[in-house]
Amino acid sequence: AQTVTQSQPEMSVQEAETVTLSCTYDTSESDYYLFWYKQPPSRQMILVIRQEAYKQQNATENRFSVNFQKAAKSFSLKISDSQLGDAAMYFCAYKYAGTASKLTFGTGTRLQVTL
Amino acid sequence: EPEVTQTPSHQVTQMGQEVILRCVPISNHLYFYWYRQILGQKVEFLVSFYNNEISEKSEIFDDQFSVERPDGSNFTLKIRSTKLEDSAMYFCASSADRSSYEQYFGPGTRLTVT
Repeated sequence: AQTVTQSQPEMSVQEAETVTLSCTYDTSESDYYLFWYKQPPSRQMILVIRQEAYKQQNATENRFSVNFQKAAKSFSLKISDSQLGDAAMYFCAYKYAGTASKLTFGTGTRLQVTL
Repeated sequence: EPEVTQTPSHQVTQMGQEVILRCVPISNHLYFYWYRQILGQKVEFLVSFYNNEISEKSEIFDDQFSVERPDGSNFTLKIRSTKLEDSAMYFCASSADRSSYEQYFGPGTRLTVT
C-alpha cells in the first residue's frame, strides 16, 4: 500500500522569505503523480502544484516549486517570497496513474506566515 | 470556470439518523470520489465511482455507507445510521476521464453528529 509521510506538523516563515515543506512517500509503482494541496481555514482543498513521476524536470507554478527526487521518494515544496495568504495547511498527496485511482494524503503541515 | 458543488455546507444530525450528502460534479466528468477529513486529521479516501458502479472503496466505507448517481448531475453519499465518529468534513471530487490526473474538489460538507 502507498503511504505519504509529512514529518513537519508545523512550520513558520517570515513574509517574503522562503520555506520548504517536506514529503516522502512509498510506492512500488513506477507511474504515478504527486501533488501539493493547500487547505486554508475555509477547508477548501486547492491544488497548488503537481508532478508527473516520469518527468525529470521539477514542476514550477509561480512562487511554488518542487524538488522531486524519485530514487529517494522525496517530494518537497518550496514557497518563495512567502505571503500572508500562504498561511494554511499543506497536504502532500500521491496518486497511482491507473484509472480512477484514489489520492493518498499525508498528515499535513500547518504553515504560519509572520510579519 | 466549472466547479464541483456540494450541499449542504453544514449538516447537524442526531446519532442513528440517516443523512444524504449531495454533490454536483463538473458536467462532463466521468469519475467521482468521496473523501472524509476528521477535524485535525488527514484527508481519507472513502470511495470512487464510475459508470454507475463503485470502482474502489476503503475500509471506512462499510455497509453504513452507500453512493448513488440518481440522475445525470447529482452524486450522493448516504450514511444510514450515523455515529458520533462520522462527524467530519466530507469532500466530493470528480475527474474528467481515465487519463486525467487531477481531481477537482468541492468545498465540502461539514457533518456534525450529536
